Amino acid sequence: EIVMTQSPVTLSVSPGERATLSCRASESVRDNLAWYQQKPGQAPRVLIYGASTRASGIPARFSASGSGTEFTLTISSLQSEDSAVYYCQQYKKWPPLTFGQGTKVEIK
Amino acid sequence: EVQLLESGGALEQPGGSLRLSCTASGFTFSHYAITWVRQAPGRGLEWVSSISGSADTTYYADSVKGRFTISRGNSANTLYLHMDSLRVEDSAVYYCACRVAAYTDYFVYWGKGTLVTVAS
Repeated sequence: EIVMTQSPVTLSVSPGERATLSCRASESVRDNLAWYQQKPGQAPRVLIYGASTRASGIPARFSASGSGTEFTLTISSLQSEDSAVYYCQQYKKWPPLTFGQGTKVEIK
Repeated sequence: EVQLLESGGALEQPGGSLRLSCTASGFTFSHYAITWVRQAPGRGLEWVSSISGSADTTYYADSVKGRFTISRGNSANTLYLHMDSLRVEDSAVYYCACRVAAYTDYFVYWGKGTLVTVAS
């Protein structure tokens, strides 16, 4: 099973500042990685797939990079509506499909 | 517009059974793989089970293997999850999710979820 580890657990960022979230895989997943945003009481929403491709309708302030075992999601200028939990998910080798434990982004 | 709508969540005792349903619309249901993902209260996302469009291939998380059965009724555009021998740790919001692709990878479309509570 590929274990996905996200850091930090919580990130507090001021509006307009940059937020950088990390995701590490226990073995290479190449670029088979997605990022999701989940707000309280809502289902997750895909932000990124293929490690760096923004999903349809996702604002350009969300970008992502990485390959292999190290991945980064960046929110370039944090907006109040970006307060949420963010998850990474690998789909290179499954079952099982695996998610990271999440990073909670708070507005400072 | 792709829509997924789960139902069937309830309060059940340990050892009991439940059947969840997910009704799909807005795409040709029988062509595409679809998945159940769950989220325990205050916890992260956990993949549970996936099924191919033709239902000839199914996959399960180790935590539910032998207790849960995924199936689909393509004529009714409905995905099912039959859950037996329920445990307290099965308590979660259960989402159905898909990408509208032949294979399972990441998930573009999600339902709103249905809550399963296992408690005595």
